[in-house]
Amino acid sequence: QSALTQPASVSGSPGQSITISCTGTSSDVGSYNLVSWYQQYPGKAPKLMIYEGSKRPSGVSNRFSGSKSGNTASLTISGLQTEDEADYYCCSYAGSSTLVFGGGTKLTVL
Amino acid sequence: QVQLVQSGAEVKKPGASVRVSCKASGYTFTNYPMHWVRQAPGQRLEWMGWINAGIGSTKHSQKFQGRVTITRDTSASTAYMELSSLTSEDTGVYYCARYSSTWYLDYWGQGTLVTVSS
Repeated sequence: QSALTQPASVSGSPGQSITISCTGTSSDVGSYNLVSWYQQYPGKAPKLMIYEGSKRPSGVSNRFSGSKSGNTASLTISGLQTEDEADYYCCSYAGSSTLVFGGGTKLTVL
Repeated sequence: QVQLVQSGAEVKKPGASVRVSCKASGYTFTNYPMHWVRQAPGQRLEWMGWINAGIGSTKHSQKFQGRVTITRDTSASTAYMELSSLTSEDTGVYYCARYSSTWYLDYWGQGTLVTVSS
């Protein structure tokens, strides 16, 4: 299984919106609406932000939203805040009871 | 509240094995599978495998096939991940994470640093 493809870095100013893409294949992202997104601060464990492509767990800000088109899933963060600066990882079900993560994207809030 | 508490940091020599534990609390351990994810220094998250905590069946990433063993002790509400034939490339932080119903990981342990060095 190859890692899902994410941009290495994205940046934005406070108040702006950014989108992080996550490109897989027809064997993972394209076949299932089972993409999740995780936020990770340096030295900390990942935190679930989005599941089933677009659902937010309780407690996650509605500034975070997810979508999918074809083999590409996307995470959008609107109204950027300095506290959003972190690494973000997508993850998809890849069939046969396996998961695959993306390469990770470093978000910088300028 | 759900908590996953992992064992402490380990330093191992190349060729050795390491076992990391993950003690669960705040929920019925056997109702939720447990996954293991590792992260090499400065690198991405990498899925390793999972165990059905109820029946004990497991599934591993092909990358770790033959080297990883995931087990659980239901009486202790604890999952274990053992990795053998360690090399320097196995250095990293190992996380356990609770699986929820549709292939996402809703709670994570704090991570265990494994350092492989001669």
